[in-house]
Amino acid sequence: NAGVTQTPKFQVLKTGQSMTLQCAQDMNHEYMSWYRQDPGMGLRLIHYSVGAGITDQGEVPNGYNVSRSTTEDFPLRLLSAAPSQTSVYFCASRARGDRGRANEKLFFGSGTQLSVL
Amino acid sequence: AQKVTQAQTEISVVEKEDVTLDCVYETRDTTYYLFWYKQPPSGELVFLIRRNSFDEQNEISGRYSWNFQKSTSSFNFTITASQVVDSAVYFCALSEAWTGNQFYFGTGTSLTVIP
Repeated sequence: NAGVTQTPKFQVLKTGQSMTLQCAQDMNHEYMSWYRQDPGMGLRLIHYSVGAGITDQGEVPNGYNVSRSTTEDFPLRLLSAAPSQTSVYFCASRARGDRGRANEKLFFGSGTQLSVL
Repeated sequence: AQKVTQAQTEISVVEKEDVTLDCVYETRDTTYYLFWYKQPPSGELVFLIRRNSFDEQNEISGRYSWNFQKSTSSFNFTITASQVVDSAVYFCALSEAWTGNQFYFGTGTSLTVIP
């Protein structure tokens, strides 16, 4: 069971370039999300999805786009990279909780270290 | 408003000492869930524990124990007889049952265990 798979592990971009961080999970989880981790700031939610075709913004959505065409995949797109987007990115998923409650733990991917020059 | 506060940014202890990591949370929900995650130097995030808001029983798992007190909105984590392998960043997180789909993470506590 692979769990949550993120690619790539490392990426260096120039300002203005675009790229997509890939995330896939094989646990049939309805909920998927993207976080960024910056020193001293913990993990901050970028975007999340509660099912195929449904996405919503988190705490820091600016500069990022997402889509959810399948249950398994939740890619994160940087349309025009900026140095402020230098960070470690984590994809996470969780199962639907009992009676719809948000009580299930998050499963995390291994992270993508992104540097924007 | 910050929902989860981990006031201790960095802690260093000598091996075999006990250490407590503090976590204070804020929520208006009556039903919520608290989590601890460990991030070792390799970078992955490892789930440690989940606690329901209606269950204040303390939890012990080997050298790890958790003290949940609703009266002080705290969910503290104690490592007994610390080991070098415990060196990591530890995150506390809150999930509100009904009011959103967001996990609120604290800023983390970096623990260094000195041999």
